[in-house]
Amino acid sequence: RKEVEQDPGPFNVPEGATVAFNCTYSNSASQSFFWYRQDCRKEPKLLMSVYSSGNEDGRFTAQLNRASQYISLLIRDSKLSDSATYLCVVNGNNNDMRFGAGTRLTVKP
Amino acid sequence: NAGVTQTPKFQVLKTGQSMTLQCAQDMNHNSMYWYRQDPGMGLRLIYYSASEGTTDKGEVPNGYNVSRLNKREFSLRLESAAPSQTSVYFCASDTGTADEKLFFGSGTQLSVL
Repeated sequence: RKEVEQDPGPFNVPEGATVAFNCTYSNSASQSFFWYRQDCRKEPKLLMSVYSSGNEDGRFTAQLNRASQYISLLIRDSKLSDSATYLCVVNGNNNDMRFGAGTRLTVKP
Repeated sequence: NAGVTQTPKFQVLKTGQSMTLQCAQDMNHNSMYWYRQDPGMGLRLIYYSASEGTTDKGEVPNGYNVSRLNKREFSLRLESAAPSQTSVYFCASDTGTADEKLFFGSGTQLSVL
């Protein structure tokens, strides 16, 4: 079993849609969690950290469920510029970051 | 600040050749990482260095060696390149605290023929 697993995608949605991505992790000792965004042929960049109480940054909302070892990312009012691959990242107890395979999102006019 | 600088950007090797990928960061970060990314896949950890003088294996270390030369620099060496090592390689760094974000270099596209 992979340490971090994500919805395979791809997700193709119209502008203005709400879309949700899910991620599960296997290491119950994991301490911190993130969503990264990666544009084609570019390096990943941090989108947002994920906190136990859930957190929001504009149109983006992240949730963490430690009991189920589950993380989610919700994007509201999708924009064309949101088209990218979204990577779930989990920091293990050795402080080594592990990435999911990514979920590709395409927002269409 | 330059952030994380990774060289070269592109490289073509023949099977059996060796090369070293260079990475340097100017943010005084403790931890540094090497990842590879294959088409349609997320990043897989090759090796990491939690602090100067230490290195540890990640998920896919076979065929690679690393050196944490000093706090700034972390190099990745392929002693005898194989076609299976054709990939995009990313170097990254962070402060080493649990909730700190990763800063990435711009990547190296490596092709082994």
